[in-house]
Amino acid sequence: AQSVAQPEDQVNVAEGNPLTVKCTYSVSGNPYLFWYVQYPNRGLQFLLKYITGDNLVKGSYGFEAEFNKSQTSFHLKKPSALVSDSALYFCAVRDGGGYQKVTFGTGTKLQVIP
Amino acid sequence: NAGVTQTPKFQVLKTGQSMTLQCAQDMNHEYMSWYRQDPGMGLRLIHYSVGAGITDQGEVPNGYNVSRSTTEDFPLRLLSAAPSQTSVYFCASREGSSSLHFGNGTRLTVT
Repeated sequence: AQSVAQPEDQVNVAEGNPLTVKCTYSVSGNPYLFWYVQYPNRGLQFLLKYITGDNLVKGSYGFEAEFNKSQTSFHLKKPSALVSDSALYFCAVRDGGGYQKVTFGTGTKLQVIP
Repeated sequence: NAGVTQTPKFQVLKTGQSMTLQCAQDMNHEYMSWYRQDPGMGLRLIHYSVGAGITDQGEVPNGYNVSRSTTEDFPLRLLSAAPSQTSVYFCASREGSSSLHFGNGTRLTVT
């Protein structure tokens, strides 16, 4: 069975500092990996994905993520945090190919402190 | 495009009542799914469908039924609501390897 682990319930970072939100995954086949963001009382919005190719993936709002196959990780990063980045972030995985189901992590609340 | 539309936005039920949460998408996506979101537990997959007439169970299917008679619609039915089903429910769809498109959610309270 596939799974996603987000080991930190909350990450606090000062505005202007770099941020990292951690994600590790388990899947039997080739992983398709995703990051989503949820603002209060809203649905989830797509940030970025890794399907194949370059291990460093760039997405919306200046976010990027690095796929590391040996460590089965897909950490979300941003060089300089903004207060408006404060939200709930979800990592997700599915087995590549076909219409496979998507499994989400438990989410990490990012708090950017002014 | 409207994307993924969920109705209602809010619902209060009494234990034992039944109801249907509606989900419709206008993007001609083959894949549709239902998740519930609970504090500290992330999003858990209830049921999903890979096309009209095809459905399958997710992680937490008990107490929920689905059907997929058209590509556009994927309703979620609660046959006999229980307090444990109090949650926020999200419908999502996608095509191929693309990301999921989410609706705005239905907040359900069962008393």
